[in-house]
Amino acid sequence: QQQVKQSPQSLIVQKGGISIINCAYENTAFDYFPWYQQFPGKGPALLIAIRPDVSEKKEGRFTISFNKSAKQFSLHIMDSQPGDSATYFCAAKNSGYALNFGKGTSLLVTP
Amino acid sequence: GAVVSQHPSWVICKSGTSVKIECRSLDFQATTMFWYRQFPKQSLMLMATSNEGSKATYEQGVEKDKFLINHASLTLSTLTVTSAHPEDSSFYICSATALKSSYNEQFFGPGTRLTVL
Repeated sequence: QQQVKQSPQSLIVQKGGISIINCAYENTAFDYFPWYQQFPGKGPALLIAIRPDVSEKKEGRFTISFNKSAKQFSLHIMDSQPGDSATYFCAAKNSGYALNFGKGTSLLVTP
Repeated sequence: GAVVSQHPSWVICKSGTSVKIECRSLDFQATTMFWYRQFPKQSLMLMATSNEGSKATYEQGVEKDKFLINHASLTLSTLTVTSAHPEDSSFYICSATALKSSYNEQFFGPGTRLTVL
């Protein structure tokens, strides 16, 4: 079964706006939550990741918010740009095991 | 740092032939390498996990005799699709976990597009 649920499936945001993608998980053993960005025909690239001992992590325009009690985490892209148009995958894992991916969100940032 | 390469980037083959895909960690030693398959507009599906010098662990439903994985060194893993058929056409992606990574981060290769005619 899908261990990580991701929404929305697709998202359209105007340039300069905020893109928000949400993920939820059930397995409380997960201790690493990365986000990947994938362009068509390319492999996923690690964007940003968080551990459950912090509630927020920011790297440039990208921020992960993490809610341990709700078992949810989200990616915020501030000042979204057309070059951010890609598919974004959230994932979760516990140490030593493989990543569990969400189904992905196709983001389109319009000029 | 943490670069993973794949070769070839794309390959077209005839039905019934075998195809080998290489995955290399260029600037780090990888304890574990993973092989994924991705269909258009879908998420990554884990096929198998391999550790250097050990037999690969395959996910349920993945035919180990069809998808042969060899992890001969800490920087190289290969996936061989044997007797390929059109339904094996897909985007194959490998990833690697660095030996010294504290969080077991996975770094992905650029993928290999396989088309079986």
